[in-house]
Amino acid sequence: NAGVTQTPKFQVLKTGQSMTLQCAQDMNHEYMSWYRQDPGMGLRLIHYSVGAGITDQGEVPNGYNVSRSTTEDFPLRLLSAAPSQTSVYFCASSPASRFYEQYFGPGTRLTVT
Amino acid sequence: AQKITQTQPGMFVQEKEAVTLDCTYDTSDPSYGLFWYKQPSSGEMIFLIYQGSYDQQNATEGRYSLNFQKARKSANLVISASQLGDSAMYFCAITMDSSYKLIFGSGTRLLVRP
Repeated sequence: NAGVTQTPKFQVLKTGQSMTLQCAQDMNHEYMSWYRQDPGMGLRLIHYSVGAGITDQGEVPNGYNVSRSTTEDFPLRLLSAAPSQTSVYFCASSPASRFYEQYFGPGTRLTVT
Repeated sequence: AQKITQTQPGMFVQEKEAVTLDCTYDTSDPSYGLFWYKQPSSGEMIFLIYQGSYDQQNATEGRYSLNFQKARKSANLVISASQLGDSAMYFCAITMDSSYKLIFGSGTRLLVRP
């Protein structure tokens, strides 16, 4: 049981490049979400999903796309990276019936130059 | 809109003493949940404790307890018998029961002195 996994751990992009941050969970959780954490700040919700095929926007969705084709995977896509997207990205999952049990991945540190 | 405020950017506590980390919130929803997370220097987010708005008793988990004062809209975290390993960032967060979105505060950095 690996919990919530994220790849890559570190990534450097140039402005305008695109990439996908991967997130997977093996706990059969319905709910998955993406957060970003900027230096000295708490986490802010980017997008979330309450099940396969269902996604919705969080506080800071601009510049990011998500899809949820399976229960296990919830990738986050940056279509055209900007320096303002330099941050640490966390993926989380929880069972729908116990939403308060949020399991976080280890994070991806992204730098956009 | 919901809001979480943590007014203590940093705190010190002596090992083996108790410490209280403050958290106030603002929401118009009658049903909501309050969380505390710990983030050590390694970066992972560790769930500590949860309190539902309708829970009558304050939540406790080992050395962690949540001092929930609904009328004052506060949800302070109390850590008893502090340990060196408690040195970390601590985040308070809120969500509505009807929503899966977590709104985080800006955090409090706790340093435990030997």
